[in-house]
Amino acid sequence: GQQLNQSPQSMFIQEGEDVSMNCTSSSIFNTWLWYKQDPGEGPVLLIALYKAGELTSNGRLTAQFGITRKDSFLNISASIPSDVGIYFCAGHPTNRNNLFFGTGTRLTVIP
Amino acid sequence: EAQVTQNPRYLITVTGKKLTVTCSQNMNHEYMSWYRQDPGLGLRQIYYSMNVEVTDKGDVPEGYKVSRKEKRNFPLILESPSPNQTSLYFCASSLRPGLPPGELFFGEGSRLTVL
Repeated sequence: GQQLNQSPQSMFIQEGEDVSMNCTSSSIFNTWLWYKQDPGEGPVLLIALYKAGELTSNGRLTAQFGITRKDSFLNISASIPSDVGIYFCAGHPTNRNNLFFGTGTRLTVIP
Repeated sequence: EAQVTQNPRYLITVTGKKLTVTCSQNMNHEYMSWYRQDPGLGLRQIYYSMNVEVTDKGDVPEGYKVSRKEKRNFPLILESPSPNQTSLYFCASSLRPGLPPGELFFGEGSRLTVL
């Protein structure tokens, strides 16, 4: 299957710090999406990106669709305790119906 | 309320005993999909359906079956479960027709243990 490398695997940060995570693929993607999963729940969409170079914000979250179309990053500014969870990148390779997911970044915010 | 509903949420079963995990969405979405989530492996797609009577294999379809007789329902069938199918399963749906499906709405998950 499609390889999506997401890093880091886990992060422990102090409340108020900024966070950055990224995702790279072995092939070109048409779409990049970022999801967050809270404990015991299904993933919820945070940001969707549809064009290379696109930079999109959702509150304290900012994500970018890499120019090469093989990567994307997510930034969280001024983290708060409710940011805790697992963040997944996901994307559509060209000419595929499937949405592939990264392995996730587990974020812990220390108050 | 717009939602994707899965049942059961939790199930413990034994090897070889057929089971079905149901999934229903009330958003009139055309696209539906099943994923399994395992530690360190993220979400891997099992099967997906672009519309009624149209289904296709994802990355890890072995040991699973699906059907899409109605738009709102997309059950996942394990004909003869084995311990390596112990996992957390998610059903998801999407409004956008065609390629790509894009933004998915997920159910709350079904945790399956096969002894």
